[in-house]
Amino acid sequence: GENVEQHPSTLSVQEGDSAVIKCTYSDSASNYFPWYKQELGKRPQLIIDIRSNVGEKKDQRIAVTLNKTAKHFSLHITETQPEDSAVYFCAAEDSGSTLGRLYFGRGTQLTVWP
Amino acid sequence: DAGVTQSPTHLIKTRGQQVTLRCSPKSGHDTVSWYQQALGQGPQFIFQYYEEEERQRGNFPDRFSGHQFPNYSSELNVNALLLGDSALYLCASGTGRSEQYFGPGTRLTVT
Repeated sequence: GENVEQHPSTLSVQEGDSAVIKCTYSDSASNYFPWYKQELGKRPQLIIDIRSNVGEKKDQRIAVTLNKTAKHFSLHITETQPEDSAVYFCAAEDSGSTLGRLYFGRGTQLTVWP
Repeated sequence: DAGVTQSPTHLIKTRGQQVTLRCSPKSGHDTVSWYQQALGQGPQFIFQYYEEEERQRGNFPDRFSGHQFPNYSSELNVNALLLGDSALYLCASGTGRSEQYFGPGTRLTVT
């Protein structure tokens, strides 16, 4: 099965700075990579995703990049705000699944200091 | 339009007991997946239901079973509870290989 590694496990930044979280995956046939944000005690929320036919996708202050050759993808948050503080999970879809089974990384605790 | 809903919110059980958790998918979704999220970990795939059948299963013992109803809602059953089953149980819904949306989860504590 797929193996997803996520780094760093914790990340602290000053408000206004950028934050980058990186993930690697093992199955070269995977082609869908979502990112979820989970605030304390709440559900994981899909914030952005990317499919393998593109190398980058942006949505306001959030962007995701994908390097299929190297099998890694990254989440970039610019102009961070205190409300960005949460645990972020990357995931990769099982290439053998027809119904969207996801493999998750272990998460990154992002803290944005005002 | 209601998103994914789950019940109950919290549950406390003792070792050896059985538990049933419930999930209603987002309107228009026909696929339900269940995940277990231990404290400080990412969600781990338990199994997935489509057309009332289990379609794929993760590395979980047979004590974990489920069901999907004609209205696409789903149940997760866990028998012979162990302390290690304490976790947040998340339900996610989607349509085929599409975005997966998660419910708020059920926090299960086994004592």
